Amino acid sequence: GAGVSQSPSNKVTEKGKDVELRCDPISGHTALYWYRQSLGQGLEFLIYFQGNSAPDKSGLPSDRFSAERTGGSVSTLTIQRTQQEDSAVYLCASSLAGQSKMAQYFGPGTRLLVL
Amino acid sequence: AQTVTQSQPEMSVQEAETVTLSCTYDTSENNYYLFWYKQPPSRQMILVIRQEAYKQQNATENRFSVNFQKAAKSFSLKISDSQLGDTAMYFCAFMKRYSGGGADGLTFGKGTHLIIQP
Repeated sequence: GAGVSQSPSNKVTEKGKDVELRCDPISGHTALYWYRQSLGQGLEFLIYFQGNSAPDKSGLPSDRFSAERTGGSVSTLTIQRTQQEDSAVYLCASSLAGQSKMAQYFGPGTRLLVL
Repeated sequence: AQTVTQSQPEMSVQEAETVTLSCTYDTSENNYYLFWYKQPPSRQMILVIRQEAYKQQNATENRFSVNFQKAAKSFSLKISDSQLGDTAMYFCAFMKRYSGGGADGLTFGKGTHLIIQP
């Protein structure tokens, strides 16, 4: 694809429901990152996948958050039992390889609103 | 852990003027990368420019250039001949350099909202 794509663009859910956010990285990019952007906290790193290696989950804010990456491509970020403080824009990025010199290219994000 | 500070929440300049956005950071690392990203109202985060800390020469990309002062831990962005399309949030970001490969997430500043007035 031409760039990183994310779906849905917007999601409104009720407190306590589970949500799944999807990210399609740029074709051929082996590294994938999730970030959260909120007014109060700014941009926060959540999780990083490199190829088939176990992900770095150090940034996940709670055990309600989990992420998978199937076949080294598409990734899903799942938030269980959503809370109002989970409301934010969730951004996905990918890079050619999981190396610090590689620039990360971002998708347009998913805006999540928890009522 | 590292921190990135952008002290200017908002700036406004006239079209065609030159503007400089400030960024300072704190880290104990010696090898790292610094980035400026632009986020217009469309929400798409766009890479503007990248600087490798082990390079003394300041990076430039067309109208965009940086002033990298490693000792002072300063990384400012200069936009020359500003255009209406430059209106956006600008984020400064840090990433540690991993010599054996590998990466982690970017550490971002809070951002500067730049408005270019016609």
